[in-house]
Parts: sequence; C-alpha cells; structure tokens
Amino acid sequence: KNQVEQSPQSLIILEGKNCTLQCNYTVSPFSNLRWYKQDTGRGPVSLTIMTFSENTKSNGRYTATLDADTKQSSLHITASQLSDSASYICVVSAASGTYKYIFGTGTRLKVLA
Amino acid sequence: AAGVIQSPRHLIKEKRETATLKCYPIPRHDTVYWYQQGPGQDPQFLISFYEKMQSDKGSIPDRFSAQQFSDYHSELNMSSLELGDSALYFCASRMDSRFGNEQFFGPGTRLTVL
Repeated sequence: KNQVEQSPQSLIILEGKNCTLQCNYTVSPFSNLRWYKQDTGRGPVSLTIMTFSENTKSNGRYTATLDADTKQSSLHITASQLSDSASYICVVSAASGTYKYIFGTGTRLKVLA
Repeated sequence: AAGVIQSPRHLIKEKRETATLKCYPIPRHDTVYWYQQGPGQDPQFLISFYEKMQSDKGSIPDRFSAQQFSDYHSELNMSSLELGDSALYFCASRMDSRFGNEQFFGPGTRLTVL
C-alpha cells in the first residue's frame, strides 16, 4: 500500500532556531517528492520538488534532502521565523496513471517569539 | 500570476441538503483534482478529470458527483450532506504537458454541515 508518514507530528521551537522534519514513504513506482507548507485554512503551497536522482534541494531557508534507497526525505528549516508556523506536508507522486498525490500526515510547526 | 480559484470560500449547510463547489483552474491547465481534508487530517483524494473526462477516482462517496466543463472549470456536487462531510475541500489543477507536472492548489472551500 502506498503510504507517506511524517514525524514528528508536531513541533514547537523558538524563533531563530533550526529544525528538521522527517518523511518516510513506501510509494512505488516513485516519481517525485514535494514538501508543501499549509497555513491553517489555506491551500498547500509548494516549497520544493525532488526527483529520484536529486539528493538535496534548497529554497531560501528551506533545504530538502532525499534518499531514494531508504525512501526517506527531510526538510530542514534554518533560522526559523514566526511566519514559518504552519503545517508541513510531504507529498509523494507515483509514476503511474494520473500522477495522483499521496499526502503525508503532516507536521504542525509552531514558532514562538 | 493567476491561481486556482474556488468558490464559495465558506459554505454552511444543514444535514440532508445539497452543496455545489466550484473550481476554476489556472489558464491552460487541463487536469483538475478534488481533495477533502478533515480537521487535523491530511487531504484525501476524491476524484480527478483530464480534458473533461474522469481520469481517476479515489474515496469519493456515492452521494458526491463531479464533472469538468468545456471551459475546464469543475464542480463538485454533494447531496444528502452528513455531519462528517464538514471539511476543507481543495481543488488543484495541473497542465498535462510533461511528466510529473505539479499540481497547484486553490485556497479551498470550507464546508460546515450543521
């Protein structure tokens, strides 16, 4: 069964600190992996996309890694800001059919002043 | 840049009523996806359309139906609403021009069933 699991479920950090979110997947055949940021009550917004051959990709203070062998990905947030408070969702796309997204359970991040 | 538009943004209905949610994809996007996100849950895929034809079906209840029109906008029709249908409903659009093209999400419609 195609699944995407994330950890931790929730995280509280102080402003300016770094944090790392984890994503494990069992989706096959694998096409790509995306990290989304979702503010409460809003639609998910893409942060990064990684294909099978990519190990690291950065987008500002966000850096994603992918280990296709172990089927793990991480999202590292550097120098967190209050506006980083949101849910971060790992989404894996299968390389078949309609490129349906398989959503992870999400990590709810709260950044405190 | 134009984004995915969903209407209404908020909707309150009573049990057993019907609701229609609308989605207007990004111009030139030919694929539309519908997702349901319950409180504290990850989005669940409901159904998708490509070039006005249903392309994939997920966990969409039989009480729901959807279609994509000639202008590529899509509507999700929900009948005999139940309390458990209260959720955020997202529409996403995609251009099927190359492998793995990204889905762009709309802001969602928050449906509350009383």
